[in-house]
Order: sequence, then structure tokens, then C-alpha cells
Amino acid sequence: DTGVSQNPRHKITKRGQNVTFRCDPISEHNRLYWYRQTLGQGPEFLTYFQNEAQLEKSRLLSDRFSAERPKGSFSTLEIQRTEQGDSAMYLCASSSNYRTSRADTQYFGPGTRLTVL
Amino acid sequence: QKEVEQNSGPLSVPEGAIASLNCTYSDRGSQSFFWYRQYSGKSPELIMFIYSNGDKEDGRFTAQLNKASQYVSLLIRDSQPSDSATYLCAVNEDSNYQLIWGAGTKLIIKP
Repeated sequence: DTGVSQNPRHKITKRGQNVTFRCDPISEHNRLYWYRQTLGQGPEFLTYFQNEAQLEKSRLLSDRFSAERPKGSFSTLEIQRTEQGDSAMYLCASSSNYRTSRADTQYFGPGTRLTVL
Repeated sequence: QKEVEQNSGPLSVPEGAIASLNCTYSDRGSQSFFWYRQYSGKSPELIMFIYSNGDKEDGRFTAQLNKASQYVSLLIRDSQPSDSATYLCAVNEDSNYQLIWGAGTKLIIKP
């Protein structure tokens, strides 16, 4: 078990460019989450996958954001036409609900820090 | 609107003392409660979770849950400088995967 991994760890881009981030969850985890976090705030939910199905997307999320998890393993988050307000830490977490009906525990990757100039 | 409230701090505690971190939540349907630690520039790291009223101990950490008062706390005994971090509280319902997060309390342990 190598934990959740995210790439890249840092990304600097110019306004208007597209960026894509990757998340590899813990191997046996069927649930995957994307969050965004800015300084002094808790993580803000973006979207959620169970296996390959995207089951929820935040209503606050712009149409510029899209996420995929094509084979129920790794996931990608793409931001099109980036804006300075997109600068944040993008966090991925994974969990498994196989063993319990209770809320499962989410484990986070190291995050991708995005800076939009 | 489901909310989780935490005092932003900073909370300053002398080394070796007990640090007490508090969290209140608005949704009476909440069933699962989590404490995460986050060092500056790093991602949240799970400390512990609690489901039932009462205390749950794990090493130097104790989580306390009072569903009637909609209150969950985290006690850190024998505080160490390495405990200095932001502590995030998160809650959700059993039927809902989504965690509702507090903004975190910044804890400073002074040597």
C-alpha cells in the first residue's frame, strides 16, 4: 500500500491555459474524491467517483472543470481556461466502503499546488 | 445549510500540557466524525474518527463526542512541538459519502 499519489505536485501556468492533474488512489479503494483548498479554509468538495461513475459534482463547480476516472482506478481533473481564482491546492482522497456501511475514512494524497499567473 | 464550526485560533499551549480542540456541527443527522491534522503546505492526515457518544482514545489523542450537544472535541495529551499544525474537523451522515469540513484550528505548542 503506497498511499494516494498525485501528479504533478506543483503547477504554474498562465491565465487561459488548460491544466490536468492526475490522482492514483490506494489500490483497493473504490471511492475517489477531488477537493480544492485555499489558505485558511477547509477542503472544498469538487466531485466524487464510485468506481468509474462520477456520482456527484459540486454545484459551485464551473463548467471549466471536468474529471474522469475511466477504468475505476486513477482519475484526472482538468481545468480549462484557467483563471487566477483557480490558484489553490487540489487534493485527491480515496476510501473504501466495502467493509462497512458507515461513512468510510478518506485518505488524502499530497496535493497539487496550482498557481495561475 | 450544513455547517461545521471551529475556532480558527491560533491556540497556544505550553509543551507537555493538554491541548483541547473543539468542533460544533449543525446537522443532527451527522453520524461520523473525523479529526485530521494538516501541517502548513501539506495535505490533511487522518488522526482518528469517532461514531459513538463518549470518548475514544488512541495514544496521546482522545476524541470526545456528544451528539445531544452536537459537539466533538480532540484532546492531545503531553503536547509536543511537532503537534503544531492546523486541526480539521469533518462530519457526515452514514448515508452520505460527503464530508462537511470545518475551517480548522491552528494549534501552536510552545517549547
